[in-house]
Amino acid sequence: NAGVMQNPRHLVRRRGQEARLRCSPMKGHSHVYWYRQLPEEGLKFMVYLQKENIIDESGMPKERFSAEFPKEGPSILRIQQVVRGDSAAYFCASSPTPTNEKLFFGSGTQLSVL
Amino acid sequence: AQTVTQSQPEMSVQEAETVTLSCTYDTSESDYYLFWYKQPPSRQMILVIRQEAYKQQNATENRFSVNFQKAAKSFSLKISDSQLGDAAMYFCAYRTSTQDYQLIWGAGTKLIIKP
Repeated sequence: NAGVMQNPRHLVRRRGQEARLRCSPMKGHSHVYWYRQLPEEGLKFMVYLQKENIIDESGMPKERFSAEFPKEGPSILRIQQVVRGDSAAYFCASSPTPTNEKLFFGSGTQLSVL
Repeated sequence: AQTVTQSQPEMSVQEAETVTLSCTYDTSESDYYLFWYKQPPSRQMILVIRQEAYKQQNATENRFSVNFQKAAKSFSLKISDSQLGDAAMYFCAYRTSTQDYQLIWGAGTKLIIKP
């Protein structure tokens, strides 16, 4: 049973480009969470999605950031017109139920904006 | 607002010895959960141990145990018989019982194991 898969592992973008980060949850998990980790900081919650629904996006910037979790395929975190301040590690976690206290994390995508 | 503070940016310990990582938190909630996560160089967050606030008994997982002091809002992690594979960043995290995905994280402690 593969764990949470995130790709790419590293992503380099120039300012103004778009970044697309992918997350495939563990098999059987329909709840996906995205977190951002800045250098020397803990994770910050961004968004919680279930299949085809955004449940809570209170941690996500209102502009340039969007997330989806379609019926088929991975969850996508999309950042448009990236700026240097978007450089961070982006982590995805999944769980089989919304009240599951054990989140399974992926290895993250390190986004570097030049 | 709930906050989690890890006051030790870095700790080092000799292999086979015991080390304690500190964590304090601030909350007005009475029902919540506390976690310690390990982040090795592979970057994947791995749950080490979990504590429910309503339980007075300290959680234990093999060589890992916690000292949970609810009144003091303190949640330290003790690692016994340290091994080289324990070297990692350790994060303390908190969540309320009602928002189970909005973990609030400390800044982390880098643990170095000296052979």
